[in-house]
Amino acid sequence: EVKLLESGGGLVQPGGSLRLSCAASGFTFADFYMSWIRQSPGKAPEWLSFIRNKANSYTTEYNPSVKGRFTISRDDTQNVLYLQMNTLRTEDTAIYYCAKHEWQLFYFDYWGQGVMVTVSS
Amino acid sequence: DIQMTQSPHSLSASLGETVSIECLASEGISNYLAWYQQKPGKSPQLLISFASSLQNGVPSRFSGSGSGTQFSLKISNMQPEDEGIYYCQQGYKYPPTFGGGTKLELK
Repeated sequence: EVKLLESGGGLVQPGGSLRLSCAASGFTFADFYMSWIRQSPGKAPEWLSFIRNKANSYTTEYNPSVKGRFTISRDDTQNVLYLQMNTLRTEDTAIYYCAKHEWQLFYFDYWGQGVMVTVSS
Repeated sequence: DIQMTQSPHSLSASLGETVSIECLASEGISNYLAWYQQKPGKSPQLLISFASSLQNGVPSRFSGSGSGTQFSLKISNMQPEDEGIYYCQQGYKYPPTFGGGTKLELK
């Protein structure tokens, strides 16, 4: 059974940083592209970033809304996906999900349960 | 970015009724269109990819159609467990974008 479990969320002041983790199990993590997606209360999901697999050089892409502030990475030895978030803004407040891609496609066939990030003074 | 516009914003259906949700892309996306269902407090679940390909385990009362810029999700024989918010998402071009959602309730 595929499982994705996010952690690392919480309350942070504007301008602060957080690192989210996503522990993956139930599939060969190293083979798949992975993404971070967020959802503000009552809003549609917003894709943030994805990272390719080793075969595709772990290259990354970012939504312009977070490019330069957020960094995605992965540890295939530990089956963990990360999102380093810097210079956080109040508008970054949302539930953050990690999601597995359907092969190398831009469809997300498994999502974690999500972790809440609140940016507030 | 490609804009995805869903309609209606919300609808209610009776048990056994057939409902349709529309999704319009701001430019052609071939058939790179997915549909997700989200229930309260849960993460979205992928129902359909490539506009019409049903994911394993998704009931056959769900079906998708369309290509280019116009797509639709049809739910036949509405069941209580079909309540939720439905999102379309284009996987054609960076960044992948979602529609605003359609809230489906049981009448």
